[in-house]
Amino acid sequence: EILLTQSPGTLSLSPGERATLSCRASQSVSSKDLAWYQQKPGQAPRLLIYGASSRATGIPDRFSGSGSGTDFTLTISRLEPEDFAVYYCQQYGSSLLTFGGGTNVEIK
Amino acid sequence: QVQVVQSGAEVKKPGASVKVSCKASGYTFTSYYIHWVRQAPGQGLEWMGVINPSGGSTSYAQKFQGRVTMTRDTSTSTVYMELSSLRSEDTAMYYCARGANWGVRSAFDIWGQGTMVTVSS
Repeated sequence: EILLTQSPGTLSLSPGERATLSCRASQSVSSKDLAWYQQKPGQAPRLLIYGASSRATGIPDRFSGSGSGTDFTLTISRLEPEDFAVYYCQQYGSSLLTFGGGTNVEIK
Repeated sequence: QVQVVQSGAEVKKPGASVKVSCKASGYTFTSYYIHWVRQAPGQGLEWMGVINPSGGSTSYAQKFQGRVTMTRDTSTSTVYMELSSLRSEDTAMYYCARGANWGVRSAFDIWGQGTMVTVSS
């Protein structure tokens, strides 16, 4: 099983600031098979990034993903009020799909 | 529009079973796998397994092997997830989600609204 560790657990920032979220895998994730999701309270998760760096349909370009192997990053270039939420990474490089524990991006 | 719509909330007693449905619309049902993911209150996301709506083949996370059964009905474009021998730890929101690419190994591009399952005596 590939374990995903997200850091930090909570990120306190102001609108307009840059957010950098980390996702580290316990072993290499093949073919950059890593996705990022956003989840707001009372809602289902929403796909932001797949293939480590490809934006899903309709996702603003302030969201970007990077990384390979065991280290991946989600960057939000300038936080908008609607971006404050919990973010999860997910790997699908193995047949047992796993998620990270999440990073809560909160308003400072 | 492309969507998956789940059945309503359930309350079950320990030891019972629950069956949650997920109805797809707006796309070719047999062209995309459907996954199930659960989220305990205040916790993270946990993948349970996946079904290929075309042939009906399934793949389950080892944790749920023997307790979960995923089936589909192509005539109604509906997938079902049944979890048996329920215990309090199974209290969670259960989501179905469409696989973005063919096969077990996939991100999830369309999510249902979730079905809350509460296990309580």
